[in-house]
Amino acid sequence: SQKIEQNSEALNIQEGKTATLTCNYTNYSPAYLQWYRQDPGRGPVFLLLIRENEKEKRKERLKVTFDTTLKQSLFHITASQPADSATYLCALDPSGAGSYQLTFGKGTKLSVIP
Amino acid sequence: GAVVSQHPSRVICKSGTSVKIECRSLDFQATTMFWYRQFPKQSLMLMATSNEGSKATYEQGVEKDKFLINHASLTLSTLTVTSAHPEDSSFYICSAALGPTNTEAFFGQGTRLTVV
Repeated sequence: SQKIEQNSEALNIQEGKTATLTCNYTNYSPAYLQWYRQDPGRGPVFLLLIRENEKEKRKERLKVTFDTTLKQSLFHITASQPADSATYLCALDPSGAGSYQLTFGKGTKLSVIP
Repeated sequence: GAVVSQHPSRVICKSGTSVKIECRSLDFQATTMFWYRQFPKQSLMLMATSNEGSKATYEQGVEKDKFLINHASLTLSTLTVTSAHPEDSSFYICSAALGPTNTEAFFGQGTRLTVV
């Protein structure tokens, strides 16, 4: 069966450290994978997209990697701050055609402790 | 970035009544919008794809007669939950994309529906 899993339901880290979140998928061949941030009671906010032919993507303190062999994406936040505390979602298009009909993981709730 | 606005942000209704949720793209035209539902501590689940000027396409297991979608203009899609029941209580979120050459989907702020 097809699955998209974010291994940790919750992750607590100390301010200033690097947070690493994992997203694994099974029986999909996505053209790209996306990461979103969701605050309580709010809709997701787009952070980064990485395509299947890209190994790594960066945006300010954020870095995403994509390993299509391992079927895994890693999401890193360097020099983490309390304001980074939120739930982070990975998402992909199950069709592999690059549409916006997304399948989401359950998310990892990140708490950055001052 | 582009803005997608949902209204209302919260609604409480009685069991058996219908509720309409609006999703607007404020500064761009969206020929396609998407409706998701999210239960507590669960992932967003795609319910349907709303196409301007044509019928919506629904995901498997989503009742089209219960969740009526209308996309009458390029900036507005509505989701009506008909004959709502407590099990329909959830967080409903819409999204839209700028187009095939853009890589980002924009989400509304969500609507918390509580059916009592």
